[in-house]
Amino acid sequence: ETGVTQSPTHLIKTRGQQVTLRCSSQSGHNTVSWYQQALGQGPQFIFQYYREEENGRGNFPPRFSGLQFPNYSSELNVNALELDDSALYLCASSYTGSGANVLTFGAGSRLTVL
Amino acid sequence: LAKTTQPISMDSYEGQEVNITCSHNNIATNDYITWYQQFPSQGPRFIIQGYKTKVTNEVASLFIPADRKSSTLSLPRVSLSDTAVYYCLVGDITGSARQLTFGSGTQLTVLP
Repeated sequence: ETGVTQSPTHLIKTRGQQVTLRCSSQSGHNTVSWYQQALGQGPQFIFQYYREEENGRGNFPPRFSGLQFPNYSSELNVNALELDDSALYLCASSYTGSGANVLTFGAGSRLTVL
Repeated sequence: LAKTTQPISMDSYEGQEVNITCSHNNIATNDYITWYQQFPSQGPRFIIQGYKTKVTNEVASLFIPADRKSSTLSLPRVSLSDTAVYYCLVGDITGSARQLTFGSGTQLTVLP
């Protein structure tokens, strides 16, 4: 059973650029969610995808967008990068069933915006 | 949107029992309470999950009172490797969407 893998592990961008982060879900999982974790803070929920549709979103602007593919892998896209977007971006997969939220996280992609 | 509150930090000694409490006043009827552990530069790792009363697994226990407005994670006989940040997660369904809220996290430091 493979876990959640994220790529790239580290990347540096400049203000105004766009970035795409990728995530492969754990085998058997059908839901993926993304989180932003600033240094010293808890993960902040960005959005969740189930059956290739967004079914939950946190307080993030529209320049944060995502996709879920038929194989349940996912992308997080951030446009017009700002300095405050520098953070660890975490992907988590889960199986949507009775409402239990058991998430399996990847190791994250650390984004630095200069 | 369910908000959660945890102590910012706790210190303990090896071999002691540690209890970390999370407050979540707006928990939804059908939602579970889940605790995660996070080491530096890693993603959070699932510890335990419960809905009400008490749940126990091989690493921890979770106590949830009848009103479900709080929960307590209990770690028996901690070791140095338990030094980490612990998060309380409460699932919140708003309309047809689902928002998942992590607490602020509790930095547990286990001392020799």
